[in-house]
Amino acid sequence: GNSVTQMEGPVTLSEEAFLTINCTYTATGYPSLFWYVQYPGEGLQLLLKATKADDKGSNKGFEATYRKETTSFHLEKGSVQVSDSAVYFCALKKNAARQLTFGSGTQLTVLP
Amino acid sequence: DAGVIQSPRHEVTEMGQEVTLRCKPISGHNSLFWYRQTMMRGLELLIYFNNNVPIDDSGMPEDRFSAKMPNASFSTLKIQPSEPRDSAVYFCASSLPREKDEQFFGPGTRLTVL
Repeated sequence: GNSVTQMEGPVTLSEEAFLTINCTYTATGYPSLFWYVQYPGEGLQLLLKATKADDKGSNKGFEATYRKETTSFHLEKGSVQVSDSAVYFCALKKNAARQLTFGSGTQLTVLP
Repeated sequence: DAGVIQSPRHEVTEMGQEVTLRCKPISGHNSLFWYRQTMMRGLELLIYFNNNVPIDDSGMPEDRFSAKMPNASFSTLKIQPSEPRDSAVYFCASSLPREKDEQFFGPGTRLTVL
């Protein structure tokens, strides 16, 4: 079946540090890949997505590249801010399917 | 657009009581999803509807849980009778019909069963 494995948290960084949150997936074919972010007390929001191999999704300084050869979709940001503190979820959706399969989430705390 | 609307935002009830959670999807979205989030199990898909029809309810934990979507603008998730282990945050999400469309999540209902 489909599955998503995320880097265990929590992750604590200082402001302006470089961020990487690893995500690998298991799925047949070419799923679409997503990163969602959940701020405290809120629902999930789409951060970025990629729908085919070698696509790069980007938003708000975050980037992730769909790597078919390594079945990965690692999230990166060059310089994090305190406001980036949140839980980040990697997810996949098989083509022709409607439902998402989520990873376990990674809690990020950025200290001033 | 108001986004996905869920009510109530918080619910505290006693074991054995019936609980009804409500969701209004974004207008024009034809897919609706119910998720449960707990520390132990993370985010789990409970059920999803397409054009008001339940498509996959394999994630519904047991017969105590039921979900309905009587029309395109309203869905309910009911737990009867509720148990302490049902305590979680329940999210509703909706999406457009195209395969690559994102899901838009509501703010969630935090349920506590005492």
